Amino acid sequence: DIQMTQSPSSLSASVGDRVTITCRASQSISSYLNWYQQKPGKAPNLLIYAASSLQSGVPSRFSGSGSGTDFTLTISSLQPEDSATYYCQQSYSTPSTFGPGTKLDIK
Amino acid sequence: QVQLVQSGAELKKPGASVKVSCKASGYAFSTHYMHWVRQAPGQGLEWMGIISPIGGGTSYAEKFQGRVTMTRDTSTSTFYMDLSSLRSEDSAVYYCARGHLPGVAVAGAAYDIWGQGTMVTVSS
Repeated sequence: DIQMTQSPSSLSASVGDRVTITCRASQSISSYLNWYQQKPGKAPNLLIYAASSLQSGVPSRFSGSGSGTDFTLTISSLQPEDSATYYCQQSYSTPSTFGPGTKLDIK
Repeated sequence: QVQLVQSGAELKKPGASVKVSCKASGYAFSTHYMHWVRQAPGQGLEWMGIISPIGGGTSYAEKFQGRVTMTRDTSTSTFYMDLSSLRSEDSAVYYCARGHLPGVAVAGAAYDIWGQGTMVTVSS
């Protein structure tokens, strides 16, 4: 199975900050990398698919980049409603696997 | 609107089975594969398997092979996930999640629509 790691595991940032979360795959997954946001008690919400494509309805302050094994999710100007846990997911091969998550708090 | 509505919470004893349903609406049922993902309390997301809406073909994560069965009922646009021989470690929220690209199974699939989740508690 492809192992996914994320860093940091948690972070705290202020409204307006630029925030970057990193995801790394244990082998090359081309651009088959997706990002989700999950708030407590809710189902995950798709933000970015295919490494850099913004899902319809997602604010443009979210962006993704990377290919191969290293990927990033960037929030250009942090908003209070962005407090959540963020997961990356590889859809290159079965079983699809998720990163352990990054918990983002607002200062 | 496109939505997936899951069945309610379940309390099961160890060794029992549970069947979770996921009713799809607002889109053409036959066009998108359905995935099942679970999340133990305070933990991350774990992919369990996938089912084709057309032929009902399935692929399961090796961890669940022999214990999980995914089916669908085209007449009611409903998917089902059956997990047997339950143990305490199976206590989790179970989600159905739609593959976002029509006709795409695993490679390249992101999950754009999720059910609200079904809490399954396994306890004696």
